[in-house]
Amino acid sequence: GAVVSQHPSWVICKSGTSVKIECRSLDFQATTMFWYRQFPKQSLMLMATSNEGSKATYEQGVEKDKFLINHASLTLSTLTVTSAHPEDSSFYICSARDNSDTQYFGPGTRLTVL
Amino acid sequence: EDKVVQSPLSLVVHEGDTVTLNCSYEVTNFRSLLWYKQEKKAPTFLFMLTSSGIEKKSGRLSSILDKKELFSILNITATQTGDSAIYLCAVEAGGGAQKLVFGQGTRLTINP
Repeated sequence: GAVVSQHPSWVICKSGTSVKIECRSLDFQATTMFWYRQFPKQSLMLMATSNEGSKATYEQGVEKDKFLINHASLTLSTLTVTSAHPEDSSFYICSARDNSDTQYFGPGTRLTVL
Repeated sequence: EDKVVQSPLSLVVHEGDTVTLNCSYEVTNFRSLLWYKQEKKAPTFLFMLTSSGIEKKSGRLSSILDKKELFSILNITATQTGDSAIYLCAVEAGGGAQKLVFGQGTRLTINP
């Protein structure tokens, strides 16, 4: 089946630093990838839709200047959390949509900001 | 505002029992409803439903969609401890964006 990877799987950083998370579709091309955030004991919340070769579409309440998304190729999207603060600590999950419109999720990245 | 509601939020049963998880939705431009199982990390895909009344089945799991009443159920028969997880329902909605709207999830615990 389709495989999506994320790197890193976990990261701890100091407040004020920037963190980049990569999302790759390993065995299929994905023109669209999605970034979600999940706080403890809560469901996934869509942050943004990442389209290859164009600007990402952000959900209401998500700061595009804080969460920079780059979808430079058909297999890679990156999310950069700029000037991270403790309230940004969360589980970030990406998904990639294949040509049958099924979304496959990456394993997630746990971000802890000290 | 698009909304997906799951019930119950939490369920504890004994191994061998049958469980039914519920998902109701109110969205614009419905495309499909999906069920995912989430254990420790990211959700894994179970079913995609697009048509009413057609049961999807995979082993002990089955699911059906009612587009008139706007709900879906996920059934698990002869439950095993390995079925313990959070089960997420998501609806693909919207025009061009085709984004997933997730419910809160049902935390299922199977006791031996």
